[in-house]
Amino acid sequence: GEDVEQSLFLSVREGDSSVINCTYTDSSSTYLYWYKQEPGAGLQLLTYIFSNMDMKQDQRLTVLLNKKDKHLSLRIADTQTGDSAIYFCAERESWGKLQFGAGTQVVVTP
Amino acid sequence: GAVVSQHPSWVICKSGTSVKIECRSLDFQATTMFWYRQFPKQSLMLMATSNEGSKATYEQGVEKDKFLINHASLTLSTLTVTSAHPEDSSFYICSARLRQGVNQPQHFGDGTRLSIL
Repeated sequence: GEDVEQSLFLSVREGDSSVINCTYTDSSSTYLYWYKQEPGAGLQLLTYIFSNMDMKQDQRLTVLLNKKDKHLSLRIADTQTGDSAIYFCAERESWGKLQFGAGTQVVVTP
Repeated sequence: GAVVSQHPSWVICKSGTSVKIECRSLDFQATTMFWYRQFPKQSLMLMATSNEGSKATYEQGVEKDKFLINHASLTLSTLTVTSAHPEDSSFYICSARLRQGVNQPQHFGDGTRLSIL
C-alpha cells in the first residue's frame, strides 16, 4: 500500500474552513509538504513543515503535525472558490525524494 | 522566485515518434531535477532523479532506454520518450530543487500532456 494516505474527496461551502488530513508511515521524515494542483497544471508548493514543529501558520493556511501519530493536516480558513483543486500531501524521503499521497479533491460550493 | 518552466505544455504525435520535453529552472540553479508521470485522477509517480553532470537514477520498473534523461546544465534537464506508443500517453511533470539544497522543497513545472495517436 501507499506510504502516504489521504482521503480522496472533500466538499466545503464557501467561507467555511477546510481541513485535509494525511497520514504517513516514515517516522524519519524530516519535512512534510502540501502541494496544490489545479486542472491541467503542475503542482504549486503551498507550505511545508519541519518535523520538529507542531504547527505552522501562513495567512489562511495552518498546518498541524502530530509526529507521534504520524498525522498531518492542512486547514484552509475562509475557503474560496479558487481553492477548489487537488491537494497532495508529501513526505520527504532520503536524498530529497518525495512520497506523495493520492491527493484530496476539494470542491468549494457557493 | 523558484520558477520552473516546462516545454511543451501539450504535444500530440504519431506512434513511433520520439518526443523531447524540457524542464528549466528560470531563476535558480538546480543540481537535481525530478521527472514524474501522472495518470488521470492519480498521484505522481517518480520516474527518475536527474543529477547535473551525471547519469540519471531511474526508479524500479522505469525503462531507461525508453525514457532518456539528460541534465547537461544547472538549469536544464530533458526527458526524451523514445519511439512513443499510445501507452506512453500521460501527463509528465518535472520538478527542481535548489542547488546545494537537499532540504529545500521541490518546485514543479506546469507539466506536459503527451498524447500518442
